[in-house]
Amino acid sequence: AQTVTQSQPEMSVQEAETVTLSCTYDTSESDYYLFWYKQPPSRQMILVIRQEAYKQQNATENRFSVNFQKAAKSFSLKISDSQLGDAAMYFCAYGKGGSEKLVFGKGTKLTVNP
Amino acid sequence: SQTIHQWPATLVQPVGSPLSLECTVEGTSNPNLYWYRQAAGRGLQLLFYSVGIGQISSEVPQNLSASRPQDRQFILSSKKLLLSDSGFYLCAWSYGGVNSPLHFGNGTRLTVT
Repeated sequence: AQTVTQSQPEMSVQEAETVTLSCTYDTSESDYYLFWYKQPPSRQMILVIRQEAYKQQNATENRFSVNFQKAAKSFSLKISDSQLGDAAMYFCAYGKGGSEKLVFGKGTKLTVNP
Repeated sequence: SQTIHQWPATLVQPVGSPLSLECTVEGTSNPNLYWYRQAAGRGLQLLFYSVGIGQISSEVPQNLSASRPQDRQFILSSKKLLLSDSGFYLCAWSYGGVNSPLHFGNGTRLTVT
């Protein structure tokens, strides 16, 4: 069974600095997708970034980028120039191609200090 | 634009009572619909998903059931709640397939006492 592990229950960063959230996953599939979702204190979860496994290039969305290491099954999220609004729970998720099911990690709570 | 509505926001129910959580989506047709549960200290767990009216797939056998009586309506139910049913329930929609991003509702905090 596929699993997603986020080894950092909590992280903190100073405003304007950079922080990296870790995620590893376990799968024997070759066709899959990886995601980072953000759940702010208001509770509505939103997609931050998506990576297709077949793409070697790391996905980037403005200040958010990933370091996708397929052989190591690692998918970390880097947040540059951290802002107070980045404070949230961040969930890493894995989805096997062709399925409907996402497997989520337990989340990392990110605190941004002014 | 598409919107998803989920209610109620919070709910406190006694053990053994029934449950009905409702989710509706606006602005799109034939979405895939999902119910996830988020327990404290754990990630989101997929409970049910639906690819069309009356089509329900269950991921975790338990005390809950789901129904999709209309294209954009998804209901989570229980006949008799257990203490272990407490948690944060999230409804979501997508265009289908894991490659399509999920769009979540605001969630329902259920406490079974």
